[in-house]
Amino acid sequence: QSALTQPASVSGSPGQSITISCTGISNDITGYKYVSWYQQLPGKAPQLMIYDISNRPSGVSNRFSGSKSGDTASLTISGLQAEDEANYYCSSCTASNPLVLFGGGTKLTVL
Amino acid sequence: EAQLVETGGGLIQPGGSLRLSCAASGFAVSSNYMSWVRQAPGKGLEWVSIIYSDTSTYYTDSARGRFTISRDSFKNTVYLQMNGLRAEDTAVYYCARWVGLARTFDMWGQGTMVTVSS
Repeated sequence: QSALTQPASVSGSPGQSITISCTGISNDITGYKYVSWYQQLPGKAPQLMIYDISNRPSGVSNRFSGSKSGDTASLTISGLQAEDEANYYCSSCTASNPLVLFGGGTKLTVL
Repeated sequence: EAQLVETGGGLIQPGGSLRLSCAASGFAVSSNYMSWVRQAPGKGLEWVSIIYSDTSTYYTDSARGRFTISRDSFKNTVYLQMNGLRAEDTAVYYCARWVGLARTFDMWGQGTMVTVSS
């Protein structure tokens, strides 16, 4: 099964915006809209930040937004804050096995 | 408040068996899709297994035939029975709730560490 590719690291200064890409999203019916993003703070469990490409769960800051173009999904964090420093993972569904694919993760450093 | 609490991890020798538990509160596991996701030390997330509300089960290729996911509706708990453990199974194992309509994991437990080593 094809992998989802993310940059290993990104960085930005407080107040700036950054974008994390996730390439390799399937264009079949199982993958085209089912893209999620998870934030994993150091030593903690992942937390859902974005689902269905661009939807935010209740309680997630509107500084987090998602989009998709072709086979690439993106997570944008605006107004960077020190508390945003974490690993971010994208995920998408597949038509076969494994049921869910995760990207390799991107470490965000807030300078 | 709904939450998931995993237990059962530990140090086990290669070839050994371990059963992980995931106790849910605030919702019924039998009405939801429940999954296990693991994370090897310093690595990314890897989906392992899922049990649907109709009790259908699915596994990633490396887990099929060795791992078994199940649930106890009365205890509101999901299990992962792991047999024939290998060094490459060493990871933090997270229990997570899968939302079928959105195909996303909307709730995660704190994880339990499994170390396979002699």
